[in-house]
Amino acid sequence: DTAVSQTPKYLVTQMGNDKSIKCEQNLGHDTMYWYKQDSKKFLKIMFSYNNKELIINETVPNRFSPKSPDKAHLNLHINSLELGDSAVYFCASSPPGLPGGDTQYFGPGTRLTVL
Amino acid sequence: GENVEQHPSTLSVQEGDSAVIKCTYSDSASNYFPWYKQELGKGPQLIIDIRSNVGEKKDQRIAVTLNKTAKHFSLHITETQPEDSAVYFCAAKYDRGSTLGRLYFGRGTQLTVWP
Repeated sequence: DTAVSQTPKYLVTQMGNDKSIKCEQNLGHDTMYWYKQDSKKFLKIMFSYNNKELIINETVPNRFSPKSPDKAHLNLHINSLELGDSAVYFCASSPPGLPGGDTQYFGPGTRLTVL
Repeated sequence: GENVEQHPSTLSVQEGDSAVIKCTYSDSASNYFPWYKQELGKGPQLIIDIRSNVGEKKDQRIAVTLNKTAKHFSLHITETQPEDSAVYFCAAKYDRGSTLGRLYFGRGTQLTVWP
């Protein structure tokens, strides 16, 4: 009965590589998000999609590209990984209503380590 | 945009005591204020929320108060237990233009409850 799931849970890779993180929600929500949590626990929004349409695109390097094949999935692809990309990445979703209904439900996170 | 300040950054209490975490926000247009609890190695989980048309909300040992005039809101945990130990985040939702559905998070409070 997983609500918001992410794969992989841990990702260790070398600088310069390209990697993807996948997110799926089975809550029937319309809006999905990607957040980055740094080593000091600060949660920063990166992207938001509503019904496969990009609605929030924060100041994120264009090496980060979200892709939403359908409203239940929002994947994050990262090109040319850098040391500073090391963080925990959280996917979240929120129910219908305004684009971005109020309550956001978070996945378990993906800890990315760039060596 | 919105700016959410959260204090204190760390809080230690004895089991059975009360804990209070305070947040302020900058934009009077913000209308939804959730609190999230993040346990070690997990994603943030919503524990309580309040909307701008309500001054107080309670759920068992947890309560949230909102002062719209002063633009601050607080989380109160009574009869704390060791399992309350976690990082707590406040957030404010700001619906305006391209930021529809966006949550602005405080920087978190590490709560430690000593047995």
